[in-house]
Amino acid sequence: AQKITQTQPGMFVQEKEAVTLDCTYDTSDPSYGLFWYKQPSSGEMIFLIYQGSYDQQNATEGRYSLNFQKARKSANLVISASQLGDSAMYFCAMRDYGNNRLAFGKGNQVVVIP
Amino acid sequence: GAVVSQHPSRVICKSGTSVKIECRSLDFQATTMFWYRQFPKQSLMLMATSNEGSKATYEQGVEKDKFLINHASLTLSTLTVTSAHPEDSSFYICSASGGRGDSYEQYFGPGTRLTVT
Repeated sequence: AQKITQTQPGMFVQEKEAVTLDCTYDTSDPSYGLFWYKQPSSGEMIFLIYQGSYDQQNATEGRYSLNFQKARKSANLVISASQLGDSAMYFCAMRDYGNNRLAFGKGNQVVVIP
Repeated sequence: GAVVSQHPSRVICKSGTSVKIECRSLDFQATTMFWYRQFPKQSLMLMATSNEGSKATYEQGVEKDKFLINHASLTLSTLTVTSAHPEDSSFYICSASGGRGDSYEQYFGPGTRLTVT
Protein backbone atom coordinates (compact mmCIF):
# COMPACT_ATOMS: atom_id res chain seq x y z
CA ALA A 1 0.00 0.00 0.00
CA GLN A 2 1.10 3.50 -0.71
CA LYS A 3 1.69 6.04 2.00
CA ILE A 4 2.42 9.75 1.74
CA THR A 5 3.64 11.66 4.76
CA GLN A 6 3.50 15.39 5.22
CA THR A 7 4.13 16.28 8.83
CA GLN A 8 5.00 19.95 8.93
CA PRO A 9 2.65 22.18 10.86
CA GLY A 10 1.26 25.32 9.30
CA MET A 11 3.99 27.59 7.98
CA PHE A 12 4.32 31.33 7.80
CA VAL A 13 6.63 32.56 5.09
CA GLN A 14 7.86 36.05 4.42
CA GLU A 15 7.01 37.35 0.98
CA LYS A 16 9.90 36.90 -1.50
CA GLU A 17 11.48 34.21 0.68
CA ALA A 18 11.78 30.56 -0.38
CA VAL A 19 9.91 27.79 1.40
CA THR A 20 10.44 24.03 1.40
CA LEU A 21 7.57 21.63 1.98
CA ASP A 22 8.51 18.13 3.03
CA CYS A 23 7.03 14.96 1.61
CA THR A 24 8.12 11.39 2.16
CA TYR A 25 6.54 8.37 0.61
CA ASP A 26 6.53 4.65 0.92
CA THR A 27 5.95 2.23 -1.89
CA SER A 28 7.20 -1.13 -3.07
CA ASP A 29 6.47 -0.34 -6.70
CA PRO A 30 9.50 0.37 -8.87
CA SER A 31 7.54 2.71 -11.13
CA TYR A 32 5.56 5.58 -9.69
CA GLY A 33 4.89 9.28 -10.11
CA LEU A 34 4.98 12.06 -7.56
CA PHE A 35 2.84 15.17 -7.73
CA TRP A 36 2.37 18.40 -5.86
CA TYR A 37 -0.95 20.21 -5.90
CA LYS A 38 -1.97 23.59 -4.52
CA GLN A 39 -5.42 24.04 -3.04
CA PRO A 40 -6.42 27.63 -2.30
CA SER A 41 -9.41 28.45 -0.13
CA SER A 42 -11.68 28.19 -3.19
CA GLY A 43 -11.08 24.43 -3.13
CA GLU A 44 -9.81 23.76 -6.63
CA MET A 45 -6.83 21.46 -6.97
CA ILE A 46 -4.11 23.13 -9.00
CA PHE A 47 -1.38 20.92 -10.44
CA LEU A 48 2.08 22.31 -9.75
CA ILE A 49 4.77 19.81 -10.62
CA TYR A 50 5.41 16.16 -11.45
CA GLN A 51 8.37 13.84 -10.91
CA GLY A 52 8.60 10.36 -12.38
CA SER A 53 10.44 7.70 -10.41
CA TYR A 54 12.85 7.11 -13.28
CA ASP A 55 13.52 10.76 -14.01
CA GLN A 56 17.21 11.51 -13.60
CA GLN A 57 16.79 15.21 -13.00
CA ASN A 58 14.74 17.08 -10.46
CA ALA A 59 11.60 18.58 -11.93
CA THR A 60 11.23 22.35 -12.17
CA GLU A 61 8.25 24.48 -13.18
CA GLY A 62 8.80 28.20 -12.90
CA ARG A 63 9.10 29.05 -9.20
CA TYR A 64 8.45 25.45 -8.20
CA SER A 65 11.12 22.82 -7.99
CA LEU A 66 11.06 19.32 -6.61
CA ASN A 67 13.96 18.00 -4.58
CA PHE A 68 13.69 14.30 -5.40
CA GLN A 69 15.81 11.99 -3.28
CA LYS A 70 14.83 8.52 -4.37
CA ALA A 71 16.97 6.61 -1.88
CA ARG A 72 15.43 8.57 0.97
CA LYS A 73 11.98 8.37 -0.61
CA SER A 74 11.46 12.06 -0.32
CA ALA A 75 10.02 14.57 -2.77
CA ASN A 76 10.19 18.00 -1.20
CA LEU A 77 8.66 20.99 -2.94
CA VAL A 78 10.58 24.24 -3.02
CA ILE A 79 8.73 27.45 -3.77
CA SER A 80 11.09 30.29 -4.53
CA ALA A 81 10.33 34.01 -4.20
CA SER A 82 7.04 33.46 -2.35
CA GLN A 83 4.10 35.61 -3.32
CA LEU A 84 0.97 36.46 -1.36
CA GLY A 85 -1.01 34.34 -3.79
CA ASP A 86 0.97 31.29 -2.74
CA SER A 87 -1.00 31.14 0.51
CA ALA A 88 -2.83 27.80 0.27
CA MET A 89 -2.78 24.15 1.25
CA TYR A 90 -0.19 22.08 -0.58
CA PHE A 91 -0.66 18.38 -1.14
CA CYS A 92 1.90 15.80 -2.12
CA ALA A 93 0.52 12.81 -3.99
CA MET A 94 1.80 9.60 -5.48
CA ARG A 95 0.44 7.65 -8.40
CA ASP A 96 0.80 3.95 -8.75
CA TYR A 97 1.19 3.21 -12.44
CA GLY A 98 -0.45 -0.11 -11.93
CA ASN A 99 -3.90 1.33 -11.32
CA ASN A 100 -3.56 5.06 -11.91
CA ARG A 101 -4.85 5.93 -8.46
CA LEU A 102 -3.55 8.95 -6.59
CA ALA A 103 -2.78 8.78 -2.87
CA PHE A 104 -2.56 12.13 -1.11
CA GLY A 105 -0.69 13.30 1.95
CA LYS A 106 -2.42 15.30 4.66
CA GLY A 107 -1.20 18.59 3.25
CA ASN A 108 0.82 21.58 4.38
CA GLN A 109 -0.77 24.94 5.14
CA VAL A 110 1.33 27.85 3.91
CA VAL A 111 0.60 31.48 4.70
CA VAL A 112 2.70 34.12 2.98
CA ILE A 113 2.99 37.35 4.94
CA PRO A 114 3.95 40.70 3.49
CA GLY B 1 -4.53 22.01 -19.92
CA ALA B 2 -7.66 19.87 -19.97
CA VAL B 3 -10.79 21.30 -18.39
CA VAL B 4 -13.09 19.47 -16.03
CA SER B 5 -16.27 21.01 -14.72
CA GLN B 6 -18.51 20.10 -11.83
CA HIS B 7 -22.09 21.02 -11.22
CA PRO B 8 -23.37 22.27 -8.89
CA SER B 9 -20.54 24.08 -7.14
CA ARG B 10 -22.56 24.29 -3.95
CA VAL B 11 -25.68 22.50 -2.84
CA ILE B 12 -27.70 22.50 0.34
CA CYS B 13 -30.21 19.73 0.83
CA LYS B 14 -32.41 18.38 3.56
CA SER B 15 -31.64 15.18 5.37
CA GLY B 16 -33.14 12.19 3.64
CA THR B 17 -33.08 13.62 0.13
CA SER B 18 -30.77 12.63 -2.70
CA VAL B 19 -28.28 14.87 -4.48
CA LYS B 20 -26.67 14.38 -7.87
CA ILE B 21 -23.29 15.88 -8.72
CA GLU B 22 -22.09 15.99 -12.31
CA CYS B 23 -18.50 15.84 -13.49
CA ARG B 24 -17.77 16.68 -17.12
CA SER B 25 -14.61 16.65 -19.16
CA LEU B 26 -15.09 19.58 -21.52
CA ASP B 27 -12.36 19.17 -24.10
CA PHE B 28 -11.23 15.58 -23.91
CA GLN B 29 -12.62 12.09 -23.55
CA ALA B 30 -12.23 10.75 -20.06
CA THR B 31 -11.92 7.00 -20.01
CA THR B 32 -11.55 7.05 -16.25
CA MET B 33 -13.04 9.37 -13.66
CA PHE B 34 -12.30 9.47 -9.97
CA TRP B 35 -14.41 10.75 -7.11
CA TYR B 36 -12.82 12.15 -3.97
CA ARG B 37 -14.20 13.39 -0.70
CA GLN B 38 -12.54 16.01 1.46
CA PHE B 39 -13.54 16.97 4.99
CA PRO B 40 -12.49 20.41 6.31
CA LYS B 41 -8.75 20.72 6.81
CA GLN B 42 -8.19 17.13 5.74
CA SER B 43 -6.78 15.42 2.71
CA LEU B 44 -8.56 14.10 -0.33
CA MET B 45 -9.81 10.57 0.11
CA LEU B 46 -10.53 8.50 -2.98
CA MET B 47 -14.07 7.18 -2.93
CA ALA B 48 -14.30 5.34 -6.21
CA THR B 49 -12.89 4.91 -9.68
CA SER B 50 -15.21 4.70 -12.65
CA ASN B 51 -14.45 3.60 -16.17
CA GLU B 52 -16.80 4.51 -18.97
CA GLY B 53 -19.38 1.85 -19.55
CA SER B 54 -18.55 -0.30 -16.55
CA LYS B 55 -19.35 -0.41 -12.87
CA ALA B 56 -17.41 1.78 -10.51
CA THR B 57 -14.78 0.35 -8.21
CA TYR B 58 -15.31 1.58 -4.67
CA GLU B 59 -12.65 2.03 -2.03
CA GLN B 60 -12.89 0.10 1.17
CA GLY B 61 -15.41 1.59 3.54
CA VAL B 62 -17.36 3.51 0.89
CA GLU B 63 -20.97 2.39 0.62
CA LYS B 64 -21.75 1.80 -3.03
CA ASP B 65 -25.51 1.88 -2.40
CA LYS B 66 -25.22 5.27 -0.79
CA PHE B 67 -22.83 6.84 -3.28
CA LEU B 68 -24.10 5.85 -6.70
CA ILE B 69 -21.68 6.49 -9.52
CA ASN B 70 -22.57 6.43 -13.19
CA HIS B 71 -20.10 6.92 -16.03
CA ALA B 72 -22.37 6.60 -19.01
CA SER B 73 -20.29 8.54 -21.52
CA LEU B 74 -16.69 9.54 -22.10
CA THR B 75 -17.40 13.07 -20.94
CA LEU B 76 -19.78 12.65 -18.03
CA SER B 77 -19.78 10.92 -14.67
CA THR B 78 -22.33 11.48 -11.94
CA LEU B 79 -22.20 10.91 -8.21
CA THR B 80 -25.54 10.59 -6.45
CA VAL B 81 -25.59 10.80 -2.67
CA THR B 82 -28.72 8.91 -1.71
CA SER B 83 -30.68 9.59 1.46
CA ALA B 84 -28.17 12.21 2.50
CA HIS B 85 -27.45 12.84 6.16
CA PRO B 86 -25.54 15.65 7.87
CA GLU B 87 -22.44 13.46 8.13
CA ASP B 88 -22.36 13.36 4.32
CA SER B 89 -21.68 17.08 4.28
CA SER B 90 -18.32 17.44 2.62
CA PHE B 91 -16.40 18.74 -0.38
CA TYR B 92 -16.63 16.33 -3.31
CA ILE B 93 -14.06 16.57 -6.08
CA CYS B 94 -13.88 14.63 -9.29
CA SER B 95 -10.95 14.11 -11.59
CA ALA B 96 -10.76 12.74 -15.10
CA SER B 97 -8.03 11.10 -17.08
CA GLY B 98 -7.48 9.86 -20.60
CA GLY B 99 -7.01 11.16 -24.08
CA ARG B 100 -4.63 14.06 -23.75
CA GLY B 101 -0.84 13.74 -23.66
CA ASP B 102 -0.05 11.50 -20.74
CA SER B 103 -3.21 9.43 -20.70
CA TYR B 104 -2.79 8.77 -17.01
CA GLU B 105 -2.76 12.44 -15.99
CA GLN B 106 -5.67 13.37 -13.75
CA TYR B 107 -7.41 16.71 -14.26
CA PHE B 108 -9.46 17.93 -11.34
CA GLY B 109 -12.83 19.59 -11.30
CA PRO B 110 -13.45 22.64 -9.11
CA GLY B 111 -15.34 20.64 -6.50
CA THR B 112 -18.85 20.60 -5.07
CA ARG B 113 -19.56 21.64 -1.52
CA LEU B 114 -22.47 19.64 -0.12
CA THR B 115 -24.26 20.72 3.04
CA VAL B 116 -26.96 18.47 4.43
CA THR B 117 -29.24 20.12 6.98
